[in-house]
Amino acid sequence: AQSVTQLGSHVSVSEGALVLLRCNYSSSVPPYLFWYVQYPNQGLQLLLKYTSAATLVKGINGFEAEFKKSETSFHLTKPSAHMSDAAEYFCAVRVFYNQGGKLIFGQGTELSVKP
Amino acid sequence: DAGVTQSPTHLIKTRGQQVTLRCSPISGHKSVSWYQQVLGQGPQFIFQYYEKEERGRGNFPDRFSARQFPNYSSELNVNALLLGDSALYLCASSTGQRGELFFGEGSRLTVL
Repeated sequence: AQSVTQLGSHVSVSEGALVLLRCNYSSSVPPYLFWYVQYPNQGLQLLLKYTSAATLVKGINGFEAEFKKSETSFHLTKPSAHMSDAAEYFCAVRVFYNQGGKLIFGQGTELSVKP
Repeated sequence: DAGVTQSPTHLIKTRGQQVTLRCSPISGHKSVSWYQQVLGQGPQFIFQYYEKEERGRGNFPDRFSARQFPNYSSELNVNALLLGDSALYLCASSTGQRGELFFGEGSRLTVL
């Protein structure tokens, strides 16, 4: 069965520091992987997605993620954190079935940014 | 263009009651999916509808049901509410059965 595991339920960084949010996946087929961000009391916004093209994926707001098959990882990074990056981040894998598809999400990582 | 719209945004119910949540997809999108997000957890898949038919169902009890209308909008119904049904219910739409999902802001249900 396909799944994702996010390491660390809470990450705290200083403004301007590197952001690294970890995600490992389990999949018997080439995975479609996603990172979403959720601000308080809001829905999910797509940051970036991997769909078997380039292994380094660039997303919105300066985020990027690298697909590493050998490590079954899809970690999210940003070189310099901004206060506005404080939010909940979810890694997800797309699972396809006969007549459709669904997302399986990790537990989420809350990112705090200190001034 | 309008995104996915959900109503109501917040509601409070008591145990045993029934609730109906509504979702309007992005114009041109024919598939609607529902997810439940309990506080502190990632969203969990409940249903997918495409062309008014159920195409996928998650591991939820029969108290949960949904339908999709000819205009592709959708309703999620939950009967005999339990305290554990308190959650943010997210609707997502896509162009087809396997298209990229676009999420609404959610309906936050509190069961007392």
